[in-house]
Amino acid sequence: EAGVAQSPRYKIIEKRQSVAFWCNPISGHATLYWYQQILGQGPKLLIQFQNNGVVDDSQLPKDRFSAERLKGVDSTLKIQPAKLEDSAVYLCASSPRGLLRSYEQYFGPGTRLTVT
Amino acid sequence: GIQVEQSPPDLILQEGANSTLRCNFSDSVNNLQWFHQNPWGQLINLFYIPSGTKQNGRLSATTVATERYSLLYISSSQTTDSGVYFCAVDPFPISSGSARQLTFGSGTQLTVLP
Repeated sequence: EAGVAQSPRYKIIEKRQSVAFWCNPISGHATLYWYQQILGQGPKLLIQFQNNGVVDDSQLPKDRFSAERLKGVDSTLKIQPAKLEDSAVYLCASSPRGLLRSYEQYFGPGTRLTVT
Repeated sequence: GIQVEQSPPDLILQEGANSTLRCNFSDSVNNLQWFHQNPWGQLINLFYIPSGTKQNGRLSATTVATERYSLLYISSSQTTDSGVYFCAVDPFPISSGSARQLTFGSGTQLTVLP
């Protein structure tokens, strides 16, 4: 079974530029998550999708971050414009349908973003 | 929100030694997972263990949900065990209707010396 796929693996941009990350979850997983991991900290949830609907985006900085999962499969996370403090690893995770019970989450390899 | 505390923050071992990592959480949880983050940043699932004890090779984990803690045991450590170990919990009651999520601790940085 293929794992969670993410691209690109690394990205370096200047502040005020825009950037997009892509994630393809494990086949059949209804729930998709984007996390931000700043160096030295644990991952923090940015947004959660159930199929193609957003179930929680309370921690997403909506003035600059956006995400979509239009067909309920793969997802894109965008930052526009980027700030220095956005330098982090962006992790995508997926799990089976997870509203009525808790399922194990599986993580992709992450995208390491450096904003200069 | 729920607090997840991991200890120790840093641990240095000689190859072959045993170790115990601890995760304390401040409220009841539905799910608890242990992850190993390797030097390339990949989060690798170790255990899904909301309660009870599980073993996988040299690793085992125990969660005592009523006392709000979990332990990860690593026996006969190897250099490839180096990395950061995270505990993560799903804190919201199923009855709340909230989406299932994970809150992470700050991790234990393990270094195994040859």
